[in-house]
Amino acid sequence: EAGVTQFPSHSVIEKGQTVTLRCDPISGHDNLYWYRRVMGKEIKFLLHFVKESKQDESGMPNNRFLAERTGGTYSTLKVQPAELEDSGVYFCASSQGFLQGSTDTQYFGPGTRLTVL
Amino acid sequence: AQSVTQPDIHITVSEGASLELRCNYSYGATPYLFWYVQSPGQGLQLLLKYFSGDTLVQGIKGFEAEFKRSQSSFNLRKPSVHWSDAAEYFCAVGPFTGTASKLTFGTGTRLQVTL
Repeated sequence: EAGVTQFPSHSVIEKGQTVTLRCDPISGHDNLYWYRRVMGKEIKFLLHFVKESKQDESGMPNNRFLAERTGGTYSTLKVQPAELEDSGVYFCASSQGFLQGSTDTQYFGPGTRLTVL
Repeated sequence: AQSVTQPDIHITVSEGASLELRCNYSYGATPYLFWYVQSPGQGLQLLLKYFSGDTLVQGIKGFEAEFKRSQSSFNLRKPSVHWSDAAEYFCAVGPFTGTASKLTFGTGTRLQVTL
């Protein structure tokens, strides 16, 4: 079974440009999360999809960030326009939720390292 | 609001020595607790998790963790460290609500293993 995949692995852009990150969750996982780690700090939650709906977007830093999840499958996170402070590693995770007594576990992708110059 | 504290930013141990990484959490309800590891150039890999039951949980790669409610701690241990364990370790907490929800992470502990 394939794990969570993210594309690209690295992205270097200039301030003011637009970048789109993609995440493909584990097949069958309804829950999809985006997290971000700014250098040296903790991994912080950005938002949570359940299928195609945004369940919790309390961690989104501002309206320059737009997340979508088309048809409840893959998700994209667009940053427009990018600022210097947006640099960091963006992680995606997916989970199947609490099903028939099983516990919910998030599985993470390898992350996208974004550098804004 | 929940929070996770990993007081050790960086730890160095000799190969073959024992290891304990500390994690303290602040949470208003019964938590789910996790340890993840990130090896250089890799993503986050789940080491182990605690939901309920036996407070000593076993994970992959010979790691274990003990949940101590009275101390709000979930420390990670390994009796004998291998050079390949050099990585960054993250403790995380989630809500025990029966609904999938976000995790709150600590700042991580970077482990260096000397030969």
